[in-house]
Amino acid sequence: SAVISQKPSRDICQRGTSLTIQCQVDSQVTMMFWYRQQPGQSLTLIATANQGSEATYESGFVIDKFPISRPNLTFSTLTVSNLSPEDSSIYLCSVRGGANSPLHFGNGTRLTVT
Amino acid sequence: DAKTTQPNSMESNEEEPVHLPCNHSTISGTDYIHWYRQLPSQGPEYVIHGLTSNVNNRMASLAIAEDRKSSTLILHRATLRDAAVYYCILLLPAGGTSYGKLTFGQGTILTVHP
Repeated sequence: SAVISQKPSRDICQRGTSLTIQCQVDSQVTMMFWYRQQPGQSLTLIATANQGSEATYESGFVIDKFPISRPNLTFSTLTVSNLSPEDSSIYLCSVRGGANSPLHFGNGTRLTVT
Repeated sequence: DAKTTQPNSMESNEEEPVHLPCNHSTISGTDYIHWYRQLPSQGPEYVIHGLTSNVNNRMASLAIAEDRKSSTLILHRATLRDAAVYYCILLLPAGGTSYGKLTFGQGTILTVHP
């Protein structure tokens, strides 16, 4: 299974700033996704990171707030912009090799906004 | 989107079998049934998946009802390390607008007693 490295593992940021999270995979993968997990909640899909084109965002998530890059098949970044305390969550990168293959996750980035 | 229903919580004793149920009455013919678990402070971990037949791997077994409207994840001998949130998820079929995405419900919190 793919090994996913996510950085940073945690951060504390001030209101109004931005945080960029990196996701590096040890092999080329077809699909990469970004999830958010708010305190005590399940996971919510933010967007699908598409290689070489704009990400596909889920309802309730917009590019201006969550810009995503995916320059190649092993790397992606998620930026959480104009931070507010409501953005305090765990952000998780996930990948899958093919349509019906399992999803693999990084250990997440725990963001606290003060 | 097809939804899954799981009990909020279950308890087990160490070294006893655990049967975690999942209802998915609106499953379509091509949906795969995936199970993941999330240990505290970690990203979700793939456990097992199947389509129609029962499946076994080193972690667990998956029993799928003949009509596919329900499934059961079986941990043959629970250990303390199996205490986690277990998610039953349907993989939406390829080709649709939700291609390849997994939608997480609230899951079942499994407590294992020594």
